[in-house]
Amino acid sequence: DTGVSQDPRHKITKRGQNVTFRCDPISEHNRLYWYRQTLGQGPEFLTYFQNEAQLEKSRLLSDRFSAERPKGSFSTLEIQRTEQGDSAMYLCASSLGWGNYEQYFGPGTRLTVT
Amino acid sequence: QKEVEQDPGPLSVPEGAIVSLNCTYSNSAFQYFMWYRQYSRKGPELLMYTYSSGNKEDGRFTAQVDKSSKYISLFIRDSQPSDSATYLCAMSGGSGNTPLVFGKGTRLSVIA
Repeated sequence: DTGVSQDPRHKITKRGQNVTFRCDPISEHNRLYWYRQTLGQGPEFLTYFQNEAQLEKSRLLSDRFSAERPKGSFSTLEIQRTEQGDSAMYLCASSLGWGNYEQYFGPGTRLTVT
Repeated sequence: QKEVEQDPGPLSVPEGAIVSLNCTYSNSAFQYFMWYRQYSRKGPELLMYTYSSGNKEDGRFTAQVDKSSKYISLFIRDSQPSDSATYLCAMSGGSGNTPLVFGKGTRLSVIA
């Protein structure tokens, strides 16, 4: 069991560019969550999937953000036309579901928009 | 008022001390309560998970939930310098598979 992995670990981009992050959940976990964390704050929910279905999106998730989970395995989070306010740690978590609710987090992708 | 309130600290204690970390919340629908430990620039690591009210113990860690007061606690016994980290409380309601709502985190330093 290798845990949740995220790629890349760090991303520096210029304002206006598009970025895409990848998350690989723990094998057989059918729920996958994306959170965003800024300095000195706890993680804030962005969106989550059960298998390939996106079940909920936070109002934090503007139209510039899109997430997918094709085939219910890995997930991608894309941010279009990045802004300096998008600079944050983007965290992915997964849970087994089916009555098992513990969420396990990956190491995160740290995004810096210059 | 935020749904989950947590004193950000910092909290500094000597090695071997008992540490008490707390969160209060306002949403009575919360049923599932978790504590995460987060080292600098790393992802949160799940420490404790409890459902509804009561206590749960795991090694040096004890989690308590008092739903009547909307108050949860994490106790760390015999604290070690390696416990120095930010501790985040998190909770969810309904079916339990809903997204977590986090506190801001408390930064803890254990001094040798």
